[in-house]
Amino acid sequence: QKEVEQDPGPLSVPEGAIVSLNCTYSNSAFQYFMWYRQYSRKGPELLMYTYSSGNKEDGRFTAQVDKSSKYISLFIRDSQPSDSATYLCAMSASGTYKYIFGTGTRLKVLA
Amino acid sequence: DAEITQSPRHKITETGRQVTLACHQTWNHNNMFWYRQDLGHGLRLIHYSYGVQDTNKGEVSDGYSVSRSNTEDLPLTLESAASSQTSVYFCASSTGVEAFFGQGTRLTVV
Repeated sequence: QKEVEQDPGPLSVPEGAIVSLNCTYSNSAFQYFMWYRQYSRKGPELLMYTYSSGNKEDGRFTAQVDKSSKYISLFIRDSQPSDSATYLCAMSASGTYKYIFGTGTRLKVLA
Repeated sequence: DAEITQSPRHKITETGRQVTLACHQTWNHNNMFWYRQDLGHGLRLIHYSYGVQDTNKGEVSDGYSVSRSNTEDLPLTLESAASSQTSVYFCASSTGVEAFFGQGTRLTVV
Protein backbone atom coordinates (compact mmCIF):
# COMPACT_ATOMS: atom_id res chain seq x y z
CA GLN A 1 0.00 0.00 0.00
CA LYS A 2 1.31 3.45 -0.90
CA GLU A 3 1.82 5.96 1.89
CA VAL A 4 -0.27 8.51 -0.01
CA GLU A 5 -3.22 7.59 -2.22
CA GLN A 6 -4.83 9.93 -4.72
CA ASP A 7 -7.40 9.25 -7.41
CA PRO A 8 -5.73 9.97 -10.78
CA GLY A 9 -8.96 11.06 -12.45
CA PRO A 10 -9.41 12.58 -14.94
CA LEU A 11 -12.07 14.77 -13.42
CA SER A 12 -14.13 16.93 -15.80
CA VAL A 13 -16.38 19.68 -14.46
CA PRO A 14 -18.23 22.63 -16.00
CA GLU A 15 -16.97 26.15 -15.46
CA GLY A 16 -18.20 27.58 -12.16
CA ALA A 17 -18.49 24.22 -10.42
CA ILE A 18 -17.07 23.46 -7.00
CA VAL A 19 -14.25 20.93 -7.29
CA SER A 20 -13.25 18.55 -4.52
CA LEU A 21 -9.86 16.83 -4.69
CA ASN A 22 -8.80 14.34 -2.05
CA CYS A 23 -5.92 12.28 -0.71
CA THR A 24 -5.65 9.64 1.96
CA TYR A 25 -2.50 8.65 3.78
CA SER A 26 -1.28 5.98 6.14
CA ASN A 27 1.66 7.56 7.99
CA SER A 28 0.45 9.21 11.20
CA ALA A 29 3.77 11.10 11.47
CA PHE A 30 2.82 13.44 8.61
CA GLN A 31 2.34 16.98 9.91
CA TYR A 32 2.65 19.16 6.80
CA PHE A 33 0.11 18.80 4.03
CA MET A 34 0.61 20.52 0.72
CA TRP A 35 -1.19 20.95 -2.55
CA TYR A 36 0.72 21.55 -5.75
CA ARG A 37 -0.63 22.44 -9.17
CA GLN A 38 1.13 21.25 -12.29
CA TYR A 39 0.35 22.45 -15.78
CA SER A 40 1.24 20.26 -18.72
CA ARG A 41 5.01 20.04 -19.32
CA LYS A 42 5.74 22.36 -16.38
CA GLY A 43 7.13 21.86 -12.89
CA PRO A 44 4.76 21.68 -9.90
CA GLU A 45 4.01 24.92 -8.07
CA LEU A 46 2.84 25.18 -4.48
CA LEU A 47 -0.78 26.28 -4.06
CA MET A 48 -1.03 26.11 -0.30
CA TYR A 49 -0.03 24.12 2.72
CA THR A 50 -1.48 23.31 6.13
CA TYR A 51 0.24 22.35 9.32
CA SER A 52 -1.50 19.62 11.31
CA SER A 53 -5.31 19.63 11.27
CA GLY A 54 -7.79 22.28 10.25
CA ASN A 55 -8.77 24.43 7.34
CA LYS A 56 -6.96 27.06 5.35
CA GLU A 57 -8.47 29.36 2.77
CA ASP A 58 -6.77 31.34 0.01
CA GLY A 59 -9.07 33.03 -2.45
CA ARG A 60 -11.06 30.37 -4.30
CA PHE A 61 -9.03 27.55 -2.73
CA THR A 62 -9.66 25.83 0.61
CA ALA A 63 -7.50 23.08 2.08
CA GLN A 64 -8.81 20.78 4.78
CA VAL A 65 -6.98 18.24 6.88
CA ASP A 66 -8.66 15.55 8.99
CA LYS A 67 -5.87 13.76 10.80
CA SER A 68 -8.23 11.43 12.63
CA SER A 69 -9.34 10.02 9.26
CA LYS A 70 -5.96 10.53 7.56
CA TYR A 71 -7.76 12.43 4.82
CA ILE A 72 -7.02 15.75 3.17
CA SER A 73 -9.03 17.76 0.67
CA LEU A 74 -8.66 20.71 -1.65
CA PHE A 75 -11.78 22.60 -2.70
CA ILE A 76 -11.85 24.95 -5.65
CA ARG A 77 -14.80 27.33 -5.81
CA ASP A 78 -16.04 28.92 -9.02
CA SER A 79 -13.69 26.78 -11.08
CA GLN A 80 -12.22 28.32 -14.23
CA PRO A 81 -10.79 26.76 -17.41
CA SER A 82 -7.41 28.10 -16.24
CA ASP A 83 -7.68 25.72 -13.27
CA SER A 84 -7.30 22.79 -15.68
CA ALA A 85 -4.12 21.06 -14.50
CA THR A 86 -2.90 18.14 -12.44
CA TYR A 87 -3.20 18.62 -8.69
CA LEU A 88 -0.76 16.79 -6.46
CA CYS A 89 -0.99 16.37 -2.74
CA ALA A 90 2.23 16.06 -0.77
CA MET A 91 3.04 15.38 2.86
CA SER A 92 5.98 15.42 5.19
CA ALA A 93 6.71 14.69 8.80
CA SER A 94 8.06 17.28 11.24
CA GLY A 95 11.81 17.54 11.27
CA THR A 96 12.17 16.39 7.67
CA TYR A 97 11.81 18.29 4.42
CA LYS A 98 11.17 15.17 2.37
CA TYR A 99 7.80 15.25 0.67
CA ILE A 100 5.82 12.17 -0.25
CA PHE A 101 3.58 12.89 -3.21
CA GLY A 102 0.32 11.43 -4.36
CA THR A 103 0.01 10.39 -7.99
CA GLY A 104 -1.89 13.55 -8.88
CA THR A 105 -5.47 14.14 -10.11
CA ARG A 106 -5.99 15.52 -13.60
CA LEU A 107 -8.68 18.20 -13.60
CA LYS A 108 -10.37 19.62 -16.68
CA VAL A 109 -12.71 22.59 -16.33
CA LEU A 110 -14.92 22.93 -19.38
CA ALA A 111 -15.87 26.41 -20.63
CA ASP B 1 14.73 37.07 -9.88
CA ALA B 2 15.89 33.95 -8.07
CA GLU B 3 15.17 30.75 -9.91
CA ILE B 4 15.93 27.08 -10.34
CA THR B 5 17.04 25.84 -13.72
CA GLN B 6 17.52 22.37 -15.11
CA SER B 7 19.53 21.36 -18.12
CA PRO B 8 19.18 19.88 -20.59
CA ARG B 9 15.39 20.10 -21.01
CA HIS B 10 15.36 17.07 -23.26
CA LYS B 11 17.89 14.29 -23.71
CA ILE B 12 18.04 11.02 -25.57
CA THR B 13 20.77 8.60 -24.57
CA GLU B 14 21.71 4.99 -25.17
CA THR B 15 21.49 2.14 -22.70
CA GLY B 16 24.67 1.80 -20.65
CA ARG B 17 25.86 5.39 -21.04
CA GLN B 18 26.56 7.65 -18.09
CA VAL B 19 24.32 10.71 -18.04
CA THR B 20 24.39 13.79 -15.82
CA LEU B 21 21.43 16.11 -15.37
CA ALA B 22 22.18 19.58 -14.03
CA CYS B 23 20.22 21.55 -11.44
CA HIS B 24 21.15 25.10 -10.42
CA GLN B 25 19.30 27.35 -7.98
CA THR B 26 19.95 30.97 -7.10
CA TRP B 27 17.83 31.19 -3.92
CA ASN B 28 20.70 30.03 -1.70
CA HIS B 29 18.46 27.25 -0.40
CA ASN B 30 20.08 24.57 1.74
CA ASN B 31 17.66 21.79 0.73
CA MET B 32 17.69 20.32 -2.75
CA PHE B 33 15.85 17.32 -4.15
CA TRP B 34 15.65 15.17 -7.24
CA TYR B 35 12.35 13.49 -8.21
CA ARG B 36 11.25 11.43 -11.14
CA GLN B 37 7.70 11.56 -12.46
CA ASP B 38 6.10 8.61 -14.19
CA LEU B 39 2.50 7.90 -15.14
CA GLY B 40 0.74 6.11 -12.33
CA HIS B 41 3.50 6.82 -9.81
CA GLY B 42 3.49 10.56 -9.36
CA LEU B 43 6.66 12.18 -8.08
CA ARG B 44 9.12 9.81 -6.42
CA LEU B 45 12.14 10.99 -4.48
CA ILE B 46 15.51 9.87 -5.85
CA HIS B 47 18.09 11.73 -3.75
CA TYR B 48 18.13 14.79 -1.54
CA SER B 49 20.60 17.08 0.19
CA TYR B 50 20.27 19.32 3.22
CA GLY B 51 23.50 21.20 2.59
CA VAL B 52 27.00 21.14 1.12
CA GLN B 53 28.60 17.70 1.33
CA ASP B 54 25.32 16.18 2.54
CA THR B 55 23.49 13.65 0.34
CA ASN B 56 20.79 11.11 1.16
CA LYS B 57 19.00 8.34 -0.70
CA GLY B 58 15.32 8.56 -1.47
CA GLU B 59 12.88 5.79 -2.26
CA VAL B 60 14.13 5.10 -5.82
CA SER B 61 17.87 5.77 -5.60
CA ASP B 62 19.25 2.61 -7.26
CA GLY B 63 21.28 3.49 -10.36
CA TYR B 64 21.51 7.20 -9.45
CA SER B 65 24.02 9.31 -7.57
CA VAL B 66 24.36 12.97 -6.57
CA SER B 67 27.06 15.17 -5.13
CA ARG B 68 26.79 18.57 -3.43
CA SER B 69 29.97 20.59 -3.64
CA ASN B 70 28.31 24.02 -3.33
CA THR B 71 24.94 25.46 -2.28
CA GLU B 72 23.69 26.22 -5.80
CA ASP B 73 24.09 22.91 -7.61
CA LEU B 74 22.95 19.31 -7.24
CA PRO B 75 23.79 17.30 -10.37
CA LEU B 76 22.12 13.91 -10.81
CA THR B 77 24.17 11.14 -12.44
CA LEU B 78 22.81 7.98 -13.97
CA GLU B 79 25.76 5.63 -13.73
CA SER B 80 24.68 3.29 -16.54
CA ALA B 81 21.43 4.37 -18.14
CA ALA B 82 18.66 1.79 -18.40
CA SER B 83 15.36 1.90 -20.29
CA SER B 84 13.55 1.85 -16.93
CA GLN B 85 15.08 5.27 -16.25
CA THR B 86 13.18 6.87 -19.10
CA SER B 87 11.20 9.51 -17.22
CA VAL B 88 10.74 13.18 -16.51
CA TYR B 89 13.13 14.39 -13.83
CA PHE B 90 12.44 17.35 -11.56
CA CYS B 91 14.82 19.17 -9.31
CA ALA B 92 13.52 21.21 -6.37
CA SER B 93 14.94 23.41 -3.64
CA SER B 94 13.57 24.71 -0.34
CA THR B 95 14.41 26.28 2.98
CA GLY B 96 11.44 24.67 4.68
CA VAL B 97 7.95 23.65 3.70
CA GLU B 98 7.68 25.40 0.36
CA ALA B 99 9.67 23.72 -2.38
CA PHE B 100 10.32 25.36 -5.74
CA PHE B 101 10.58 23.09 -8.75
CA GLY B 102 12.48 23.39 -11.97
CA GLN B 103 10.86 22.92 -15.37
CA GLY B 104 11.96 19.31 -15.67
CA THR B 105 14.25 17.24 -17.89
CA ARG B 106 12.67 14.70 -20.18
CA LEU B 107 15.10 11.79 -20.49
CA THR B 108 14.68 8.97 -22.97
CA VAL B 109 16.94 5.92 -22.80
CA VAL B 110 16.98 3.89 -26.01
